[in-house]
Amino acid sequence: AQSVTQPDIHITVSEGASLELRCNYSYGATPYLFWYVQSPGQGLQLLLKYFSGDTLVQGIKGFEAEFKRSQSSFNLRKPSVHWSDAAEYFCAVGGDQAGTALIFGKGTTLSVSS
Amino acid sequence: DGGITQSPKYLFRKEGQNVTLSCEQNLNHDAMYWYRQDPGQGLRLIYYSQIVNDFQKGDIAEGYSVSREKKESFPLTVTSAQKNPTAFYLCASSLLGEGPHGYTFGSGTRLTVV
Repeated sequence: AQSVTQPDIHITVSEGASLELRCNYSYGATPYLFWYVQSPGQGLQLLLKYFSGDTLVQGIKGFEAEFKRSQSSFNLRKPSVHWSDAAEYFCAVGGDQAGTALIFGKGTTLSVSS
Repeated sequence: DGGITQSPKYLFRKEGQNVTLSCEQNLNHDAMYWYRQDPGQGLRLIYYSQIVNDFQKGDIAEGYSVSREKKESFPLTVTSAQKNPTAFYLCASSLLGEGPHGYTFGSGTRLTVV
């Protein structure tokens, strides 16, 4: 079955500390992988995406993610967290078939402490 | 500026009423999607459409209906058959074809049954 698992429901990180949000996927075909961020009461914004090539991808707002095929993972990282990064983060997977709808994880809520 | 617009932002429905949520995009995207978001549940796919006058059911289509008469518009009707409609509804659009096309999301409609 195709699925996305985000093992951490809620994470608290001190401002300035590093961050890693975990994402594991199960997908039968070549996966497209995405990370989105959502502020309360808002839509989702794309942070970064991966299909092929370099397994370390850079995104907006200083985020990066690393694709590890052997572990079926696509973890999101940031070297130094800012208070404005507090939000909900969603990992998603899709395929290369035209129009395939993305499958989203249940999300990880990030809180930033001062 | 190109984007995707959802209206209204807040919507209240009485028991037994049908309500329609609007979603309009001017990005010239081929595909459009409706997701439902509940706390701790992530995003669950209701319906999606890849082409005008055609659409497919997602994982939780029961109690919902859609139409795609124009490329730009993909309204969602929440019918009285939907027993628990209180949720945050997100519309998204994307290009089709080769490549990892992520979604552009609207800012959402919060529906409450009163």
